[in-house]
Amino acid sequence: NAGVTQTPKFQVLKTGQSMTLQCAQDMNHNSMYWYRQDPGMGLRLIYYSASEGTTDKGEVPNGYNVSRLNKREFSLRLESAAPSQTSVYFCASKDAGETQYFGPGTRLLVL
Amino acid sequence: KNEVEQSPQNLTAQEGEFITINCSYSVGISALHWLQQHPGGGIVSLFMLSSGKKKHGRLIATINIQEKHSSLHITASHPRDSAVYICAVPYYGGSQGNLIFGKGTKLSVKP
Repeated sequence: NAGVTQTPKFQVLKTGQSMTLQCAQDMNHNSMYWYRQDPGMGLRLIYYSASEGTTDKGEVPNGYNVSRLNKREFSLRLESAAPSQTSVYFCASKDAGETQYFGPGTRLLVL
Repeated sequence: KNEVEQSPQNLTAQEGEFITINCSYSVGISALHWLQQHPGGGIVSLFMLSSGKKKHGRLIATINIQEKHSSLHITASHPRDSAVYICAVPYYGGSQGNLIFGKGTKLSVKP
C-alpha cells in the first residue's frame, strides 16, 4: 500500500497563476483533509471531505477550492495564487478509529 | 473552539535523557492525539488516547481528562528521536470530528 500520496512535491508559482494539488489514498478511507502548515503555527484545516461526494470548509478556506473526485482522490485548487498562500500543504485521510494518515506534503512558493 | 498549548516550544537534550513534552487544552475531550513530524517533513500519528496511559517502545503518553492535560515522555532518548512532536484534539471537544493542532515542540537530541 502506498498510503497517502501527493503531487507535486514542490511548486513555484507567480502571483495570479492557478494550480491543482493532487492527493490520493489507497486505504479505502471515507474522510480526507487538506491542511496548510506555516512557520510558528499549527496545522490548519483548509477543507475536508467526510465522504465521497461531500466537501466542507475548514478554518482557512479562502482562496481555495476542492474536489472529491472519488473515494480515493481529493484535490485542492488555487485559482489565483497569492504570496500569502506560500506554505507546506498536507493531505490526510482518516480511518474508522480516528487516526489520520498524512501524505508527504507539497511545498508551494508563490512569488 | 478548543485551544491547544504545548510546552516547551523547543527542547534540547543529551542522548539517554528522559524527555517530557506537555499539552494542555481548553475544551473537554475524550480523545487526544500525539503526532511526530520528522525533520524531512513527514507526519505520523503516534498515539490516540482517551484515558490513562499508552506505551509504544520508548514512548509513553499519559492523559488527565479532568485537568485537560497530556504528556508525552521519551525514555532513553536517542538522536533519531529528534523531531517535532504535535498534540491535537477535537476542534469542538468530544471524541470525534476535525482536529485542532498545537504548534509543536521541536526536540533535538544530541549524541
